[in-house]
Amino acid sequence: DIQMTQSPSFVSASVGDTVTITCQASQGIGGWLAWYQQKPGKAPKLLIHSASSLQSGVPSRFSGSGSGTDFTLTISSLQPEDFATYYCQQANSFPYSFGQGTKLQIK
Amino acid sequence: QVQLQQWGAGLLKPSETLSLTCAVYGGSFSGYYWTWIRQPPGKGLEWIGEINRSGTTNYNPSLKSRVIISIDTSKNQFSLKLSSMTAADTAVYFCARSLNYFDSSAYWAWGQGTLVTVSS
Repeated sequence: DIQMTQSPSFVSASVGDTVTITCQASQGIGGWLAWYQQKPGKAPKLLIHSASSLQSGVPSRFSGSGSGTDFTLTISSLQPEDFATYYCQQANSFPYSFGQGTKLQIK
Repeated sequence: QVQLQQWGAGLLKPSETLSLTCAVYGGSFSGYYWTWIRQPPGKGLEWIGEINRSGTTNYNPSLKSRVIISIDTSKNQFSLKLSSMTAADTAVYFCARSLNYFDSSAYWAWGQGTLVTVSS
């Protein structure tokens, strides 16, 4: 099984800051990576698919990059609604798997 | 605008079988992958398995011996059964639809989630 490791697990930032979250796969997954945002009590929301493709309707301050084993999610000019937990997910091989999550908190 | 609405029992006793159903409203039922994902309280997401319109399934090996995902195309519904439930299976269970046709690599539409608690 492919293990997904996110870092950091927690990050504190202020409105207007830029934050980068990384996701590392235990083996190469090509570009088969998605990023989700989850708020308490809600289902995850798809932000990025295919490592760098911004899902329709998602603000352009979200961006994704990477391939192989190392990926990043960057959120520029943080807005109050961006404070949430973020997950990466690999879809290169079954069983699909998620990172442990990164909680983005207000500083 | 596709919507997924899920339902099922929220409180089970150990050894019982979980049964959840997800109904799909709006959009096409064909071509997509239909998935179940769970999240223990305060923890991360775990992929359970998926099914397509033809009934082809893929399961997480960690649950494979206990899980069945089925589909009813006449009702635009798919279901999850997980047997021999234990406290470790306590979680919020989500149904979800793949973003694209014939590509289950990302999930765009989600159900509201069902909290399932296993307790004697």
